Amino acid sequence: EAGVAQSPRYKIIEKRQSVAFWCNPISGHATLYWYQQILGQGPKLLIQFQNNGVVDDSQLPKDRFSAERLKGVDSTLKIQPAKLEDSAVYLCASSLDSDPAYEQYFGPGTRLTVT
Amino acid sequence: AQSVAQPEDQVNVAEGNPLTVKCTYSVSGNPYLFWYVQYPNRGLQFLLKYITGDNLVKGSYGFEAEFNKSQTSFHLKKPSALVSDSALYFCAYGGAGSYQLTFGKGTKLSVIP
Repeated sequence: EAGVAQSPRYKIIEKRQSVAFWCNPISGHATLYWYQQILGQGPKLLIQFQNNGVVDDSQLPKDRFSAERLKGVDSTLKIQPAKLEDSAVYLCASSLDSDPAYEQYFGPGTRLTVT
Repeated sequence: AQSVAQPEDQVNVAEGNPLTVKCTYSVSGNPYLFWYVQYPNRGLQFLLKYITGDNLVKGSYGFEAEFNKSQTSFHLKKPSALVSDSALYFCAYGGAGSYQLTFGKGTKLSVIP
């Protein structure tokens, strides 16, 4: 079974530039998550999708971050414009369903450096 | 506020010795509790979970955890540590009225040969 795929693995941009990350979840998984992991901290949920609908985006900074999951499969997360404090690893995860009892499967992450 | 706490930033243990990574929770209701492991430059991997039932949960790679409601703890244990167990370990909770999975700050485990 293929795991969660993410690209790119690394990205360096200057502040005020824009960046986009891509995620392909495990086949058949209805729920997709984007997390932000700042160095030395645990992952923080940014947004959760159930199929192509948003379940929770309460911690997504909507003035600069956006995400979509068209057709309920792949997802993209965009930051525009980036700030220095956005430097982090962005993790995508998927699970069979939105019930929190289901374990989540994580991709390798995208390490973003904003200079 | 509901949370999980990992009181130790780092745990050092000698290879072959038993290891414990601590986690306590402050969550009302009946939370689901998880342990994940993160190896360098890789995403998190699921180790084990407690949903309901037997308080002792067995997971991947020989790890186990005990749910203790009276002490609000969910410590991760392994009888004999391997050098390859060296990684970052995260405790997390879900449920209890929330769809989210909320993570602790992580504990770095170093197993010394």
